[in-house]
Amino acid sequence: DVVMTQSPLSLPVTLGQPASISCRSSQSLVYSNGNTYLNWFQQRPGQSPRRLIYEVSNRDSGVPDRFSGSGSGTDFTLKISRVEAEDVGVYYCMQGSHWPYTFGQGTKLEIK
Amino acid sequence: QVQLVQSGAEVKKPGASVKVSCKTSGYTFTDYEMDWVRQAPGQGHEWMGRIKPNSGGTHYAQKFQGRVTMTRDTSISTVYMELNRLTSDDTAVYYCARDRMGSYEYWGQGTLVTVSS
Repeated sequence: DVVMTQSPLSLPVTLGQPASISCRSSQSLVYSNGNTYLNWFQQRPGQSPRRLIYEVSNRDSGVPDRFSGSGSGTDFTLKISRVEAEDVGVYYCMQGSHWPYTFGQGTKLEIK
Repeated sequence: QVQLVQSGAEVKKPGASVKVSCKTSGYTFTDYEMDWVRQAPGQGHEWMGRIKPNSGGTHYAQKFQGRVTMTRDTSISTVYMELNRLTSDDTAVYYCARDRMGSYEYWGQGTLVTVSS
């Protein structure tokens, strides 16, 4: 299975400051059709995961534009340009290029 | 709007079975495959398997082979996940998640299954 490794696992951030989460895969996530199925999810306590980003950099409808995704191959990043209080939660990357789909361990974002 | 509504929390004894349902609405049931993903307390997400609602075909994670069964009822747009021979390690929140293009845009609300003697 493809191993997804996130860093950091804990991310204390001051309100209004930027935040960045790294996700690395154990093999390339470029699918045979040329697409890269790397997703980012936010999960708040007691809630289901909410998808923020799909195919590396496509933001879901309703997701604030302070969230952005980038990367290629095996290295990916989720950035929050200015952290707000509502961004507290755990962020996961997930690959859908190889069977079975696999998730990163999660990065817990908290406000300093 | 697309909705995936799961059945309620369950408490089971070791060795028992549990069956979780995921009722869908807001889209054509047979057009999208459905996965089951679980999250144990303090753990990451674990993919359990997939069902194709149009054919009923399934694909299970090797870890759960022989212990999990996924089925569907097209008349009520519902998928089911049954897990047998439960142990304390199966205590987790179980989610159904609709697959499209290597991603899950829609998730159920989760079903907590607690295995305890």
